[in-house]
Amino acid sequence: EVQLLQSGTEVRKPGESLRISCQVSGFSFTSEWIGWVRQAPGRGLEWVGVIYPGDSDTKYSQSFEGHVTISADTSLSTAFLQWSSVEASDTAIYFCARQAVRFSQTTTSYQPVEIDSWGQGTLVTVSS
Amino acid sequence: QSALTQPASVSGSPGQSITISCTGTNSDIGGYKYVSWYQQVPGKAPKLIIYDVSNRPSGVSGRFSGSKSGDTASLTISGLQTEDEADYYCSSYTASSTLYLFGSGTKVTVL
Repeated sequence: EVQLLQSGTEVRKPGESLRISCQVSGFSFTSEWIGWVRQAPGRGLEWVGVIYPGDSDTKYSQSFEGHVTISADTSLSTAFLQWSSVEASDTAIYFCARQAVRFSQTTTSYQPVEIDSWGQGTLVTVSS
Repeated sequence: QSALTQPASVSGSPGQSITISCTGTNSDIGGYKYVSWYQQVPGKAPKLIIYDVSNRPSGVSGRFSGSKSGDTASLTISGLQTEDEADYYCSSYTASSTLYLFGSGTKVTVL
């Protein structure tokens, strides 16, 4: 059974660092892409980025690049999303997910596509 | 890049059919066949119900169907049931620097 188990609720003050995790089981961690999705309170879904743990290739949405870092530890089958300095606007639920990524021979680009499995979500609250 | 455009809400009576639209551009929906749809019950993680425009994952009810015409994708729920009350999001690969876009979301209410 495919499972993505995320770490628990986090509360931080603005400017503090934070790392949340996503441990997977039921499939090969090094052969699949793992993505992160943000959902601010009462808002819709936003794609953050995706990592291929097999070689640590990482793709970010321009909206999040430079503000968060996605990484993975293959010995733990765990992916991470981290901030060096959180802001109040980072308050949200963060989902990790298994995401398919297609490679276009025509454009030589990686194309994130459907997300077929999701973690339960991690609530991050940033408040002074 | 802004989210794909969906109606904020759609409603229907049990047994009816409803359709949710999702409008993008030729850089996302119009240019690729990578449209997906997700169902999210409040407080839960989203669930994939359609991928590659019209394909259903194993275990998803046949009452859900997807299509695309130009820059607009559509999700149809036929034989509406009370359990279909949820938020629905479309998504697509995009050639922009965002790479993957979600729609603004549609709340489905069963009257």
